[in-house]
Amino acid sequence: DAKTTQPPSMDCAEGRAANLPCNHSTISGNEYVYWYRQIHSQGPQYIIHGLKNNETNEMASLIITEDRKSSTLILPHATLRDTAVYYCIVRVRMDSSYKLIFGSGTRLLVRP
Amino acid sequence: DVKVTQSSRYLVKRTGEKVFLECVQDMDHENMFWYRQDPGLGLRLIYFSYDVKMKEKGDIPEGYSVSREKKERFSLILESASTNQTSMYLCASSFPRGGSGYTFGSGTRLTVV
Repeated sequence: DAKTTQPPSMDCAEGRAANLPCNHSTISGNEYVYWYRQIHSQGPQYIIHGLKNNETNEMASLIITEDRKSSTLILPHATLRDTAVYYCIVRVRMDSSYKLIFGSGTRLLVRP
Repeated sequence: DVKVTQSSRYLVKRTGEKVFLECVQDMDHENMFWYRQDPGLGLRLIYFSYDVKMKEKGDIPEGYSVSREKKERFSLILESASTNQTSMYLCASSFPRGGSGYTFGSGTRLTVV
């Protein structure tokens, strides 16, 4: 199973972009990268996912390198409410479905 | 708003008790999952199910079993609770291909004393 590596913690100033890196050097060609975040005492919340191409939605952008060995989640204008643990996850194929393999995550602190 | 509902937010049980953690989803998802979350270890997959009456072991199934009699409900069972099963338990559901993501419940914090 592909594993992900993330820095344990990061911080950024409110209103600035937060760039969260993730390494997934053993990812297979058909495995998606997902990003979730978890605010204290809540379940993880889906942010975005991608396979090869860069993706953008109302919450964030996902940049995946051409060799797919790493990716970056970008929160374009971080707010205090974005303080959370962010998980970079590889979705692994099972026989008839898929499962998510979670890493340890990055604790993002957004400073006022 | 779509939901995954876990029956209890906090639970305290005694060592040796049989414990049932219930999870219900209203999204008609085929897949359901149980994870546990511990400090420093992240989320670890216990069991999952991709159809009614189907179940598969995850990474740490020892000491647990599951039941999926109806599509919307997935139960995690601790046959004889032990103190090392004190943890946060998270249920999730998804369509088979995952698509736009997996929806998680708010979690059950179980303490075994």
